[in-house]
Amino acid sequence: KNEVEQSPQNLTAQEGEFITINCSYSVGISALHWLQQHPGGGIVSLFMLSSGKKKHGRLIATINIQEKHSSLHITASHPRDSAVYICAVEKFGNEKLTFGTGTRLTIIP
Amino acid sequence: ETGVTQTPRHLVMGMTNKKSLKCEQHLGHNAMYWYKQSAKKPLELMFVYSLEERVENNSVPSRFSPECPNSSHLFLHLHTLQPEDSALYLCASSRGALTGELFFGEGSRLTVL
Repeated sequence: KNEVEQSPQNLTAQEGEFITINCSYSVGISALHWLQQHPGGGIVSLFMLSSGKKKHGRLIATINIQEKHSSLHITASHPRDSAVYICAVEKFGNEKLTFGTGTRLTIIP
Repeated sequence: ETGVTQTPRHLVMGMTNKKSLKCEQHLGHNAMYWYKQSAKKPLELMFVYSLEERVENNSVPSRFSPECPNSSHLFLHLHTLQPEDSALYLCASSRGALTGELFFGEGSRLTVL
């Protein structure tokens, strides 16, 4: 069982819908990252957070340390949001990132 | 544009070939990484360099040989690869080794025939 689990694995939604992607982890962490991987392969870091909530444009990331859970929300989704969203954690005492397998999001016009 | 450039973007090679992947970062970072991404598997860390010194090697087969001539350039030399080595190879950089935000390149998609 992976230490970082994402759900759903695949998500298809209509343009304009509110999107939620979940990440659960089973280890103690010092930080959690959300990354976006475009169809061409390049990866962009969206958020790095260790508590609470962060917002950037239409993207919102939240984390609940006690429940070992994080969510990534996209408001007013758009076809250009179609990508794979990857959750990764920095474990205590081992700063190497441990990655989830990603959530493939497809937004239909 | 993330400031990390990888070449080539696509590479097809036979099992007896020798080729190299190149990565260059223009961000003034001190650490550079090679990751492997296979289908339906999480990203796997292969190598980490900090200030041109290798600080992490995740039991990668010797047919993959990294080289970091300076803090801006990172190579991955490939020889006698196997078909199961076909994957997307991603380079990344960060200010410090194994800490902080990672900046990734676009990746080099490798196919081994």
